[in-house]
Amino acid sequence: QKEVEQNSGPLSVPEGAIASLNCTYSDRGSQSFFWYRQYSGKSPELIMFIYSNGDKEDGRFTAQLNKASQYVSLLIRDSQPSDSATYLCAVWADGGFKTIFGAGTRLFVKA
Amino acid sequence: DAGVTQSPTHLIKTRGQHVTLRCSPISGHKSVSWYQQVLGQGPQFIFQYYEKEERGRGNFPDRFSARQFPNYSSELNVNALLLGDSALYLCASSPGQGKGETQYFGPGTRLLVL
Repeated sequence: QKEVEQNSGPLSVPEGAIASLNCTYSDRGSQSFFWYRQYSGKSPELIMFIYSNGDKEDGRFTAQLNKASQYVSLLIRDSQPSDSATYLCAVWADGGFKTIFGAGTRLFVKA
Repeated sequence: DAGVTQSPTHLIKTRGQHVTLRCSPISGHKSVSWYQQVLGQGPQFIFQYYEKEERGRGNFPDRFSARQFPNYSSELNVNALLLGDSALYLCASSPGQGKGETQYFGPGTRLLVL
């Protein structure tokens, strides 16, 4: 079992719709969770981080964390074509000095 | 404010050669991590350094080494290059020890091994 799993996609949504991206992780000791966006040929850029169970909203983005079920999700409201990118879920577990990334989910927003 | 900088941006080497990649963290950041990203995959952790000490190491062979300097900049060295080392090498910095902190990535160095 991979430590951080994401559906590779591609996930295709029409402009203005809600895009839902999901991520599961295997280490129950995980404490910090991050979503990065990566455009083709570019480096990852941070979208959001979440540490506590529940929802965290920032503009059009909402991160959701459920530690009991070991999943974290990212909702993108009013999706725009500029949101088309690969979204990387990253998890940091206590006891180690490394952040583990999933393989990413490719999102396409159709105009 | 300058973000994380990396040099060079692109590099072409042949098998068996050695390469040194460089990274300067965001001003005030003390922790630097290195990642390898192969096309179609997420970044894979290689090393993390804090205050010039190695704090974490991923599952990479001993051909990979790194160090951090007093000004918090860092170098990643790869010896005896293999074709499979072709990848985007990313450096990320964080303000403190890096324990669960947000990391900010540089633009990366794209390495091609022929």
